[in-house]
Amino acid sequence: KQEVTQIPAALSVPEGENLVLNCSFTDSAIYNLQWFRQDPGKGLTSLLLIQSSQREQTSGRLNASLDKSSGRSTLYIAASQPGDSATYLCAVRRGETSGSRLTFGEGTQLTVNP
Amino acid sequence: DAGITQSPRYKITETGRQVTLMCHQTWSHSYMFWYRQDLGHGLRLIYYSAAADITDKGEVPDGYVVSRSKTENFPLTLESATRSQTSVYFCASRYGPSNTEAFFGQGTRLTVV
Repeated sequence: KQEVTQIPAALSVPEGENLVLNCSFTDSAIYNLQWFRQDPGKGLTSLLLIQSSQREQTSGRLNASLDKSSGRSTLYIAASQPGDSATYLCAVRRGETSGSRLTFGEGTQLTVNP
Repeated sequence: DAGITQSPRYKITETGRQVTLMCHQTWSHSYMFWYRQDLGHGLRLIYYSAAADITDKGEVPDGYVVSRSKTENFPLTLESATRSQTSVYFCASRYGPSNTEAFFGQGTRLTVV
């Protein structure tokens, strides 16, 4: 059974700092990995999708990397801003079939202090 | 509005009552999913659907029923609500089996008293 772990559970940083969020998964046979952002009381917003054949994806100040063999992904946020404060979730998808659901980590709650 | 919408956003119901959570998407995505989010468990899949009239169980299906008569709608029914079903429920959709993103609704916060 796939298990996804995100460390740390919470992180507080000053504005402007570069930071890394970690995601690890136990089964390296994944199809893709997706990073989401969740604001309090809101739904999930997709940030980046990394296919199993890719090593990284970038969107603006965000860069996500994937190392399948070691079962790890990182989300790098450059020059953090207070608006980046949210919970960040990673989710892995096992296969290509219709039943291949996303398995989620419990998230890292990020606070960026002005 | 385009996208994926859930209703209601908040619901309080009594134990034993039937309640239906609605999900509607405007993208004509084939795949739709229902997840619940609980502290200590993260998001867990309840049911999913690959197309109209095709549904299947996820990780935690007990006590829930789904239907999908139209591609754009995927309602989730709690037949006899229990306190353990107090949770935040998220609907999601995806274009197809290919390597595409899943998109989530805003969630329904359900409290069973």
